Amino acid sequence: SQTIHQWPATLVQPVGSPLSLECTVEGTSNPNLYWYRQAAGRGLQLLFYSVGIGQISSEVPQNLSASRPQDRQFILSSKKLLLSDSGFYLCAWSGVKREGTDTQYFGPGTRLTVL
Amino acid sequence: GQNIDQPTEMTATEGAIVQINCTYQTSGFNGLFWYQQHAGEAPTFLSYNVLDGLEEKGRFSSFLSRSKGYSYLLLKELQMKDSASYLCAVRDQGDYKLSFGAGTTVTVRA
Repeated sequence: SQTIHQWPATLVQPVGSPLSLECTVEGTSNPNLYWYRQAAGRGLQLLFYSVGIGQISSEVPQNLSASRPQDRQFILSSKKLLLSDSGFYLCAWSGVKREGTDTQYFGPGTRLTVL
Repeated sequence: GQNIDQPTEMTATEGAIVQINCTYQTSGFNGLFWYQQHAGEAPTFLSYNVLDGLEEKGRFSSFLSRSKGYSYLLLKELQMKDSASYLCAVRDQGDYKLSFGAGTTVTVRA
């Protein structure tokens, strides 16, 4: 069966510091991968998605970036965090490359607090 | 893009039934998803509809009307553990991405 991991689970960082969040998927190959952010009491905002190694699509212009160095690894980064970057960061994967069910399954998330 | 609307909050009694409505506007449509999210946790997949009609999964059912841009999630025999946020999400035709509604927080009271 497929599993998705994210780390760290929680993170407290000062404004202006760098960020690196990691997501890995097991039990599947060539998944679509997604990064979302959920601010307190708000809906899910898609930040980036990737359909293959090195292929990243950005949905929201901001000070975040994403990379996919390996098939089942997805990294979210920032060079300088802002207060507004605080939130719950969720990685998700889906396994169908053509139109179809292509359900997205979420990792456990990273709760980031920027002070 | 999508415009997805769902109520912010709903309250119901243990053992009762609650219906969460979701309306959407889209230029193309390729499926509607419902997720459950407990406080502080990640969303978990509940149901998927792409054709009109009702999909039943135990105590949970989801309905879709594509012509009306409307779906509902029906929770029967409510239990305390059903207290959570329920997210409606829509996928565009020819796209991998999902657009999520803001979620409906359901509180189940004894």
